[in-house]
Amino acid sequence: EAQVTQNPRYLITVTGKKLTVTCSQNMNHEYMSWYRQDPGLGLRQIYYSMNVEVTDKGDVPEGYKVSRKEKRNFPLILESPSPNQTSLYFCASSPRLTSTDTQYFGPGTRLTVL
Amino acid sequence: GQQVMQIPQYQHVQEGEDFTTYCNSSTTLSNIQWYKQRPGGHPVFLIQLVKSGEVKKQKRLTFQFGEAKKNSSLHITATQTTDVGTYFCTYNFNKFYFGSGTKLNVKP
Repeated sequence: EAQVTQNPRYLITVTGKKLTVTCSQNMNHEYMSWYRQDPGLGLRQIYYSMNVEVTDKGDVPEGYKVSRKEKRNFPLILESPSPNQTSLYFCASSPRLTSTDTQYFGPGTRLTVL
Repeated sequence: GQQVMQIPQYQHVQEGEDFTTYCNSSTTLSNIQWYKQRPGGHPVFLIQLVKSGEVKKQKRLTFQFGEAKKNSSLHITATQTTDVGTYFCTYNFNKFYFGSGTKLNVKP
């Protein structure tokens, strides 16, 4: 089944404790992206990747890192999480970034930073 | 940066009433896509519009792309409780841009 998977789905952590949220897609998509969703603010892009070893900042990259060593995986790293990073995170993938490509979203990761 | 403005932010309707959400851009769009996110779920692709003035229907949902390709609307006829969720418009131009979403609540 074609899908985007994220792990963990839920995470409660403390300020400063490094964490990684994994994202994997099995559709051989070139484009992958991370978003955070907060009430009243919609979906905001954190980082995106056009292909392996190609990543770029989105609208809210501060406090996050990403890597794209393999096509299927695009982990999101929080080196030193802070409470303002408490949010719902979505990973998404798309075949490429042509104007007609659509995005496939993972199930989401709800992160709470205490 | 480039954005799409989406209104209203929230809409509460009685089951059976109609519902419309609008997206507006200051620039001409090559295409627009609509996604639905159910409560507790993730955004799921609904439809894509590409042509000026295009109208597409999915059962009770009607999607329109403006003649100038700067605005779009999603209209739901006779809402049902299964329509509850947040509806997003989005387009891509070097990256994906999302509207802020319209949260629809349907009272039975």
